[in-house]
Amino acid sequence: DAGVIQSPRHEVTEMGQEVTLRCKPISGHNSLFWYRQTMMRGLELLIYFNNNVPIDDSGMPEDRFSAKMPNASFSTLKIQPSEPRDSAVYFCASRGQGYSPLHFGNGTRLTVT
Amino acid sequence: DQQVKQNSPSLSVQEGRISILNCDYTNSMFDYFLWYKKYPAEGPTFLISISSIKDKNEDGRFTVFLNKSAKHLSLHIVPSQPGDSAVYFCAASENNQGGKLIFGQGTELSVKP
Repeated sequence: DAGVIQSPRHEVTEMGQEVTLRCKPISGHNSLFWYRQTMMRGLELLIYFNNNVPIDDSGMPEDRFSAKMPNASFSTLKIQPSEPRDSAVYFCASRGQGYSPLHFGNGTRLTVT
Repeated sequence: DQQVKQNSPSLSVQEGRISILNCDYTNSMFDYFLWYKKYPAEGPTFLISISSIKDKNEDGRFTVFLNKSAKHLSLHIVPSQPGDSAVYFCAASENNQGGKLIFGQGTELSVKP
């Protein structure tokens, strides 16, 4: 089992540029979550999908953020345009049915200068 | 509104002694609680969980206690080992919310030899 795979591991970009983060969930998991970790706010949920359908995007901070899940094995989180305050570690996680824990990827550390 | 709170940002314990990490929540609809452990540059990994129908769950050196009336849970690690040094997050969910996990801010545990 390869676990949840995120790419890239690190991303450094300039303010105003578009950033795309990628995630491959664990095969067979039907829910996918995007979290952001910052010192101030800890781990905050941005959006989650069930069976590829976005269920709750209330945590997405602004319209600059968008997420897609075109199929069961791939999801993207896009920021356009990026701003320095978007600098954080972004985690993707997936889970199966019922009372089961989330499995996290190793995250993407985003730095916007 | 922080629905899950870990009021201690850090905790230092001597090797072999007990570590007690605490977590409070405000949403009485939460029915599933989890603890995650996170090492630097890695994603959080699942440690132990408890459903609201129980008040205790044990797994080796790790025990989670749930006090529903006080909306409080705690993680006990006995005996503590240097390899336990990490950031610990508690998380909670309502199962009818599709497994959406709300995390606390985390507590950094340091176990000294």
